Amino acid sequence: KAGVTQTPRYLIKTRGQQVTLSCSPISGHRSVSWYQQTPGQGLQFLFEYFSETQRNKGNFPGRFSGRQFSNSRSEMNVSTLELGDSALYLCASSLVASSTYNEQFFGPGTRLTVL
Amino acid sequence: TQLLEQSPQFLSIQEGENLTVYCNSSSVFSSLQWYRQEPGEGPVLLVTVVTGGEVKKLKRLTFQFGDARKDSSLHITAAQPGDTGLYLCAGVRTGNQFYFGTGTSLTVIP
Repeated sequence: KAGVTQTPRYLIKTRGQQVTLSCSPISGHRSVSWYQQTPGQGLQFLFEYFSETQRNKGNFPGRFSGRQFSNSRSEMNVSTLELGDSALYLCASSLVASSTYNEQFFGPGTRLTVL
Repeated sequence: TQLLEQSPQFLSIQEGENLTVYCNSSSVFSSLQWYRQEPGEGPVLLVTVVTGGEVKKLKRLTFQFGDARKDSSLHITAAQPGDTGLYLCAGVRTGNQFYFGTGTSLTVIP
């Protein structure tokens, strides 16, 4: 079974630009979550999508948005990029079965550098 | 403010030594997971513990969930260079909400 894939793997942008990151979950997984990872803040939850609906949202500004398509693939968009947005953006998929035993499977991440 | 605090933050030990990483919270979780992450890659799930007091062993790794389901520990016996990485705990709450710990960076020196 193929794992979670993220594209692109590396991205360099300048301040003020916008960026779209893509995530393809494991086949059959309907939940996709996005995280931002930085050395200072660690792994922070951005949002989770399930059946094309945003179900949970972390404490990030509105410049961060996402969506999920009918095939469970998800995209994340960041508008008006700031230097502090430089980070590894991770996508994780999971089967939504019992909430006490949910397992997340992570992709390799997209390394975003904002200059 | 992080919901889950891990200690120590950094750990550098010699091959063959034992170590314990702690994951603490004042909140109760329905389950707790441990991940290992290598540079440039996403975290990889090691184990999920569900029941308070549960102990799981994975070869040289022993995971324990606290009785009150608020904390957990990871013990590695006879560490090897291949154990090097960032260890993350994650508490799971109802509604598929995951809360990650601050992380422990482990380096095992040959």
